[in-house]
Amino acid sequence: DAKTTQPNSMESNEEEPVHLPCNHSTISGTDYIHWYRQLPSQGPEYVIHGLTSNVNNRMASLAIAEDRKSSTLILHRATLRDAAVYYCILDQAAGNKLTFGGGTRVLVKP
Amino acid sequence: KAGVTQTPRYLIKTRGQQVTLSCSPISGHRSVSWYQQTPGQGLQFLFEYFSETQRNKGNFPGRFSGRQFSNSRSEMNVSTLELGDSALYLCASSLTGANSPLHFGNGTRLTVT
Repeated sequence: DAKTTQPNSMESNEEEPVHLPCNHSTISGTDYIHWYRQLPSQGPEYVIHGLTSNVNNRMASLAIAEDRKSSTLILHRATLRDAAVYYCILDQAAGNKLTFGGGTRVLVKP
Repeated sequence: KAGVTQTPRYLIKTRGQQVTLSCSPISGHRSVSWYQQTPGQGLQFLFEYFSETQRNKGNFPGRFSGRQFSNSRSEMNVSTLELGDSALYLCASSLTGANSPLHFGNGTRLTVT
């Protein structure tokens, strides 16, 4: 299975942007890049996904490198509610068989 | 629109017993997948069902099984429980499966003593 590599943790100040990197050097041409986050005591929550082009939605932006071997999730203005574990996952277009890595624990300081 | 509902929320069983967990997907979603989350192994894929058929399976022993009903509701069963089966079991539903966002429930916390 294709794997992703993320930093274990990151800190941010409230109302500042957060850039979460993810490396996926073994990505194949049909793999979509998904981001989920998990708040304490909850199931994971979908954030955003993309294939080749950068994507924006109300929660975040996803910047995908031209060679697709890395991507960055951007939270434009972090709030205390954004404190969570963020997972970068490759969806291998074979049903919903997602391989979750360790994720990045984001701490937002007031 | 109601979210993904998992029952029960908490469960305590003893070694050797079997357990059945239930998942009701979002209305209209046909794909249901199951994940196990433990502090040591993180989130691991168990299996996925689409239109009552198992479409994908993770690397878990045969003691772990599941099924999906015609109304897309799903159950997973674990037989001959072991201490290591203690975990948070998460169910997720999606419209079609591949590349469509997953909607997770809040899980069933299983403790095996």
